[in-house]
Amino acid sequence: QVQLQQWGAGLLQPSETLSLTCAVSGGSLSGYYWNWIRQSPGKGLEWIGEINNSGSTNYSPSLMSRVTVSIDASKNRFSLTMISVTAADTAVYYCGRAMPGIAVPLIDSWGQGIQVTVSS
Amino acid sequence: IVLTQSPDSLAVSLGERATIHCKSSQNVLYSSNNKNYLAWYQRKPGQPPRLLIYWASTRESGVPDRFSGSGSVTNFTLTISSLQAEDGAVYYCQQYYYPPPTFGQGTRLEIK
Repeated sequence: QVQLQQWGAGLLQPSETLSLTCAVSGGSLSGYYWNWIRQSPGKGLEWIGEINNSGSTNYSPSLMSRVTVSIDASKNRFSLTMISVTAADTAVYYCGRAMPGIAVPLIDSWGQGIQVTVSS
Repeated sequence: IVLTQSPDSLAVSLGERATIHCKSSQNVLYSSNNKNYLAWYQRKPGQPPRLLIYWASTRESGVPDRFSGSGSVTNFTLTISSLQAEDGAVYYCQQYYYPPPTFGQGTRLEIK
């Protein structure tokens, strides 16, 4: 059973850079897309982006100018970087694994989530 | 694609049936394989979402058979029969037909 363990800074000031990492255990990165999703009170669940072990990425059009998803296959982990955060980026951020063989992500395994708050 | 769930919240007695609806702004049925690209998730406080149903009606491994999904094209339903106390949660639908994947706003289910 794959497990996803995520960590990163939980409190940021406006204009700072959000950085989160998700470590995968109990399975390989190969053959899957690895995703970031967030949930805020105002916007509900929102998909952010994904990456596979070859480094191929897809991003939400509304966030792609500020977001980078990267992968470190040697450490079985992937990461999210979001620049120039504002209060609107306050949310619980989840990492997740997409079900294979489907072009648009369907997340079947999730990390525990991490609250990120942007406040001055 | 915009997904609109109804109702926003409901309270149902233990042992009764709960029905949640999800309406898509566009068709999510792919005619080539006759599959509806629609999923349902359950989220309990402090936990990540849990995948319950995909392809509109296929239960994920380990999901009790009191959870069932139905519908096609733009109108979908999640039915929870014989409600248990642990079914109190927020339920979301998600389309994975056209990128980016989008979610409904959620339906809060309270067990009376």
